[in-house]
Amino acid sequence: IAGITQAPTSQILAAGRRMTLRCTQDMRHNAMYWYRQDLGLGLRLIHYSNTAGTTGKGEVPDGYSVSRANTDDFPLTLASAVPSQTSVYFCASSDWSGRARNEQFFGPGTRLTVL
Amino acid sequence: AQSVAQPEDQVNVAEGNPLTVKCTYSVSGNPYLFWYVQYPNRGLQFLLKYITGDNLVKGSYGFEAEFNKSQTSFHLKKPSALVSDSALYFCAVREVADDYKLSFGAGTTVTVRA
Repeated sequence: IAGITQAPTSQILAAGRRMTLRCTQDMRHNAMYWYRQDLGLGLRLIHYSNTAGTTGKGEVPDGYSVSRANTDDFPLTLASAVPSQTSVYFCASSDWSGRARNEQFFGPGTRLTVL
Repeated sequence: AQSVAQPEDQVNVAEGNPLTVKCTYSVSGNPYLFWYVQYPNRGLQFLLKYITGDNLVKGSYGFEAEFNKSQTSFHLKKPSALVSDSALYFCAVREVADDYKLSFGAGTTVTVRA
């Protein structure tokens, strides 16, 4: 593993189903993030985690939950998917030392379609 | 609240010509500014950032950006564009005092024609 991996690459999901998007990083970054990318809106932060065991809400958290049991993994769960959650989802991480000045590294994304 | 504006949805240039992608920002305090590039079906790649010091920042692949505090701008530039620079470019801002929130612009699609 090099950098950030996400799974699955793409998924078509029926509305009402539960779905977990997986994210794993091997850079030992303490901060991790989930974004959704929608045309014309750029990237919007869903949830973040500053360190293992802590999480926080971003700009668009409704309908999503996250957990951070260890440094490397940061899964995103849609408890009951709705069509408005059709999007491309990106996981990212950053080194927390130096805080806000550090750039984030992004995974390849998961394309999710909710029908 | 912090925000970023990328006023151009698309920028089209000929190969070898200068490339500029515009970005303006709004923060209540001091900003950290970033540029990312996204190639088709890929994640975002970091290009460069402004933290402090010299207003002209040099980054990857020959790109540079100039921080202008009075105009609250952070335009991305490349003196001579390549066809391979065709991609989606995002500007992002984070307030110095804010540890986690990185706000992105809507993105600018750059097309470099041969």
